[in-house]
Amino acid sequence: GEDVEQSLFLSVREGDSSVINCTYTDSSSTYLYWYKQEPGAGLQLLTYIFSNMDMKQDQRLTVLLNKKDKHLSLRIADTQTGDSAIYFCAAPYSSASKIIFGSGTRLSIRP
Amino acid sequence: DTEVTQTPKHLVMGMTNKKSLKCEQHMGHRAMYWYKQKAKKPPELMFVYSYEKLSINESVPSRFSPECPNSSLLNLHLHALQPEDSALYLCASSQVKVAGGPGELFFGEGSRLTVL
Repeated sequence: GEDVEQSLFLSVREGDSSVINCTYTDSSSTYLYWYKQEPGAGLQLLTYIFSNMDMKQDQRLTVLLNKKDKHLSLRIADTQTGDSAIYFCAAPYSSASKIIFGSGTRLSIRP
Repeated sequence: DTEVTQTPKHLVMGMTNKKSLKCEQHMGHRAMYWYKQKAKKPPELMFVYSYEKLSINESVPSRFSPECPNSSLLNLHLHALQPEDSALYLCASSQVKVAGGPGELFFGEGSRLTVL
């Protein structure tokens, strides 16, 4: 089955770029997603990338996809205190109606 | 309307109680989901409804009983729960894509359940 892995913590200085990495196992994943969860809240879809793309940019967010290595990354430019949250990488389970989440990366911002 | 609304936001129940969690969406999505999230963990899929029919049950204990009365509503009936069932229960909805798996999930804020 699909397995999605992420590092658990990332600390960056305010104004720097944050890069959150994710690896997945199911090569047939057609879409890959990034979700953000703030404390006590549900998950919010940040962005997604279709598997035939290498890169997608959306304002401060850049998603890079390396299909050969099954590696996905999310770059947040000019990181702000409001970016403090847990970021989940997610991938569909092959041909099934479900999305599997990585363990989540807790992003903390230091002044 | 791009919201998924869950009620109640907080629920405390005893092990002998019967309660229900409710979820509603008006985005025309025909797939609806229940996820369970423990503290500092990712959401874990419990159930998937597709076109109002249960399509996935991830071996969830029978003390959790889902119901999808119509395309906008999803319920989770709770009975004889255990303290370890305390968690944040998240409802989500998505389009049902013809190929390539589900569309992106839209989540509610969750119902935080405490079982005493």
